[in-house]
Amino acid sequence: NAGVTQTPKFRVLKTGQSMTLLCAQDMNHEYMYWYRQDPGMGLRLIHYSVGEGTTAKGEVPDGYNVSRLKKQNFLLGLESAAPSQTSVYFCASSYGDTKQYFGPGTRLTVT
Amino acid sequence: EDKVVQSPLSLVVHEGDTVTLNCSYEVTNFRSLLWYKQEKKAPTFLFMLTSSGIEKKSGRLSSILDKKELFSILNITATQTGDSAIYLCAVVKNTGTASKLTFGTGTRLQVTL
Repeated sequence: NAGVTQTPKFRVLKTGQSMTLLCAQDMNHEYMYWYRQDPGMGLRLIHYSVGEGTTAKGEVPDGYNVSRLKKQNFLLGLESAAPSQTSVYFCASSYGDTKQYFGPGTRLTVT
Repeated sequence: EDKVVQSPLSLVVHEGDTVTLNCSYEVTNFRSLLWYKQEKKAPTFLFMLTSSGIEKKSGRLSSILDKKELFSILNITATQTGDSAIYLCAVVKNTGTASKLTFGTGTRLQVTL
């Protein structure tokens, strides 16, 4: 099993550009999550999904959209990137209400 | 507002030392507390604690939860350089749907020779 994978690993965007981060998991987990990690802030939940076709807002959802068209994939979109979105983004998944498994992260820089 | 506070923020010890990392929390509808180790990339799961007073152990690492005083500790004995990492504490709330975690900012541990 590959577990949770994320693409890309690194990306540099100019302000105003858009991009999509892809998360995939092969553990048949129902729940998937997107976090961002910033120095001194810990991991903060952006959006999450409790199943295919469902999404919900987390703690810091503004400026992001998500989609869960297939159970194994969870996409995070930035429509118009801002420097404040420079961060490391982690995807996670879980089976029910249990521990979460994390992907390797995507380092995004917005200039 | 839910809050998870870890201390110390950072710590430097010599190989062989024993360390204790602290996590206190203020969370409504507490369900469980998780410890993760984060090296260069993804956080990796260490322990999940749901009941007070029951120590979880894995090799040189152990953890215990006090639900009355709202804190947990993570102990690492006979530290090794491979223990150098950020240790994250997260609290899970009862939401009825997905397990929503609130993370602390982490404790950065550096083990030197």
